[in-house]
Amino acid sequence: GQQLNQSPQSMFIQEGEDVSMNCTSSSIFNTWLWYKQDPGEGPVLLIALYKAGELTSNGRLTAQFGITRKDSFLNISASIPSDVGIYFCAVSNFGNEKLTFGTGTRLTIIP
Amino acid sequence: DTGVSQDPRHKITKRGQNVTFRCDPISEHNRLYWYRQTLGQGPEFLTYFQNEAQLEKSRLLSDRFSAERPKGSFSTLEIQRTEQGDSAMYLCASSWLAGGYQETQYFGPGTRLLVL
Repeated sequence: GQQLNQSPQSMFIQEGEDVSMNCTSSSIFNTWLWYKQDPGEGPVLLIALYKAGELTSNGRLTAQFGITRKDSFLNISASIPSDVGIYFCAVSNFGNEKLTFGTGTRLTIIP
Repeated sequence: DTGVSQDPRHKITKRGQNVTFRCDPISEHNRLYWYRQTLGQGPEFLTYFQNEAQLEKSRLLSDRFSAERPKGSFSTLEIQRTEQGDSAMYLCASSWLAGGYQETQYFGPGTRLLVL
């Protein structure tokens, strides 16, 4: 079964608000990824993290790879309507690159 | 820039029928992965290929499932004698492995299977 816990499971926010979500594991992984999935589509890569402690930004998105290699967070600043969707964290290790996904965080923007 | 493509996008079949899905990876990518995603869950790994060699299969991949990548390019996933529990989104992803460094996986749009 899946080893990743994502929280929160869902978020209801107003446009313009900042968003924070996180992902934790009971095991160490050396690659952490954040994907976004729209209904009926495949996951789209947002940010990839390969080094413990690494903080990486992609536009309004910022993600950090925890120093213990057992967690990561994703922040979205000044949310806009197209941010709606399900956000997944995923992990892998070098030499065994199959991805293990979290259970997802569903983001909804309230008008 | 052509990404990963999958065909068909949707498939409805009756229980007991066989179905086959196709995935065309990004052209220079040598690794190809299959995942299955059920409603409300994240994708789960099924199997992957490096070039034409199938290197790992999940225990989720029962005997009714078979995957091939005959020339190291496109891949097919066949499900024989489908069951209602096979209803899911089947996702394909590809990546490039070279010199121990792997580029991350890029996903296709998926094939949604409904078994009646």
